[in-house]
Amino acid sequence: NAGVMQNPRHLVRRRGQEARLRCSPMKGHSHVYWYRQLPEEGLKFMVYLQKENIIDESGMPKERFSAEFPKEGPSILRIQQVVRGDSAAYFCASSKSRNTEAFFGQGTRLTVV
Amino acid sequence: DQQVKQNSPSLSVQEGRISILNCDYTNSMFDYFLWYKKYPAEGPTFLISISSIKDKNEDGRFTVFLNKSAKHLSLHIVPSQPGDSAVYFCAATLGNDMRFGAGTRLTVKP
Repeated sequence: NAGVMQNPRHLVRRRGQEARLRCSPMKGHSHVYWYRQLPEEGLKFMVYLQKENIIDESGMPKERFSAEFPKEGPSILRIQQVVRGDSAAYFCASSKSRNTEAFFGQGTRLTVV
Repeated sequence: DQQVKQNSPSLSVQEGRISILNCDYTNSMFDYFLWYKKYPAEGPTFLISISSIKDKNEDGRFTVFLNKSAKHLSLHIVPSQPGDSAVYFCAATLGNDMRFGAGTRLTVKP
C-alpha cells in the first residue's frame, strides 16, 4: 500500500508563472489536507478537501491559490502568478476519516526565482 | 490565530535522558491530539495520539500526557536516542480540522 505521493518533489518557477502541485492520497483515504511550511516556520493549514468538495479553505490566501480533489485523479494545489514569497515546502496529508491520524507525503519544495 | 502553540523552538538532551516536549492550545473544543515527527526533506510521520477523554497514552518509549484544565499536552521520550533528533509537531483536531504547532527541534547528543 503506497503512501501519500506528492509530485514533483522540487519545482522551480519564475515569478508570474503558475505552479501545480499534485497529491495522491493513500488508497482508501478520502480526506486530503494541504499545509505550507515557510523557511524556519511550522506547518500552516491551508485547505481541507474531500472528494469533489472543499470543506475548509480558511488557510488559503484569498487570491492566486486554489485547490481541487476531483472524483478521479490526484488533489491539485494550484498557485497562479507565483511570487518569491510563495517559496516554501508544501505538504499534503490524507486520512481515512476524521479523528484518525493523517499520513503525509514527502512534500513539494517550490522555489520561485 | 495560533490555536496550537509550541513555545520552545528547540530542545537539547543527552542520550539516555528524558526528552519532554510541550504544547499548549487555546480551543477547549479540540477533541483529538497528535504528535508528528519530521526529518529534514521528509514529510511528517505520525508518532502517537491521544483522545480528549484520556489523560495519558503510552507507546514504547513515547508517552503523551494531556491536561485539559491547563490546555496543555506533552510528549515524553525516555530514554532518548540520537535517532530521535528531529522536529516534533503537535497537532489538534476539531471535527475535520487539524491544526499544527510551529514545531520543536529536538537534538539528542550521544
